[in-house]
Amino acid sequence: AQRVTQPEKLLSVFKGAPVELKCNYSYSGSPELFWYVQYSRQRLQLLLRHISRESIKGFTADLNKGETSFHLKKPFAQEEDSAMYYCALTTSGTYKYIFGTGTRLKVLA
Amino acid sequence: GAGVSQTPSNKVTEKGKYVELRCDPISGHTALYWYRQSLGQGPEFLIYFQGTGAADDSGLPNDRFFAVRPEGSVSTLKIQRTERGDSAVYLCASSLTSSGSTTDTQYFGPGTRLTVL
Repeated sequence: AQRVTQPEKLLSVFKGAPVELKCNYSYSGSPELFWYVQYSRQRLQLLLRHISRESIKGFTADLNKGETSFHLKKPFAQEEDSAMYYCALTTSGTYKYIFGTGTRLKVLA
Repeated sequence: GAGVSQTPSNKVTEKGKYVELRCDPISGHTALYWYRQSLGQGPEFLIYFQGTGAADDSGLPNDRFFAVRPEGSVSTLKIQRTERGDSAVYLCASSLTSSGSTTDTQYFGPGTRLTVL
C-alpha cells in the first residue's frame, strides 16, 4: 500500500537558517508528489509539485526515486514560513491522495 | 472569485445522530474530494467525484458514511449513527479536472469540525 512518512512532527529553526522538511514514501510505481502548506488560520493549499520542478517562495523539492524521498528545502528560512507542511502522494490514473502526518515548522526570530 | 465553501463550520452532535456536511466547490470544477482529518494526522482520503459520479469511494470507512453530488456541483457528506470516533475536521477540495494534468490543483475548503458527544 502507498504510504507517506514525515518523521518530524516539529522542526524549529532560526531565521536565515537552512530548512529541510523530510518526506519519504513507499510506492513501487511512478508517484506524483506534492507539498501542501497550511498557514495559521488559513486553508490547506498547494505549495509545489514535483512534476513542475518549480521553486515557490524559495522552496524546492527534488524527487529521489532511489531513496524514495521528496524532501522540501529552503536555503534561508523566513518567519513567514512558519506553518504546517504536508507531503502528499498520488499515482497516475488514480484520484486518491495519500497525505503524511505533517511537520510543523517554526521559524524563530 | 469565491473559493470552496463548507457548511456548517462547526457541528456538535450526539452519538447515534445523523449529520450532513455540505461542500460548495469552485464554479466549473468537475472534480471534488472529501477528506477527514483527525487530530495530529494528515488529511485522509474518503471519496472522489468526477462530475456527478463517485469515481473512487474506497476511503469511506464503513457503510455509515455516504456522499452525493447529484448535479455535479454541491456535494453532501452524510454520516449515519454517528460515533465518537467520527469526531474530526472534514475537508472538501475541488479541482478543475481529474488527476494527470497541471490544471488539477486541489483547492481546499475551510473544513467542518464535527464533534460527536
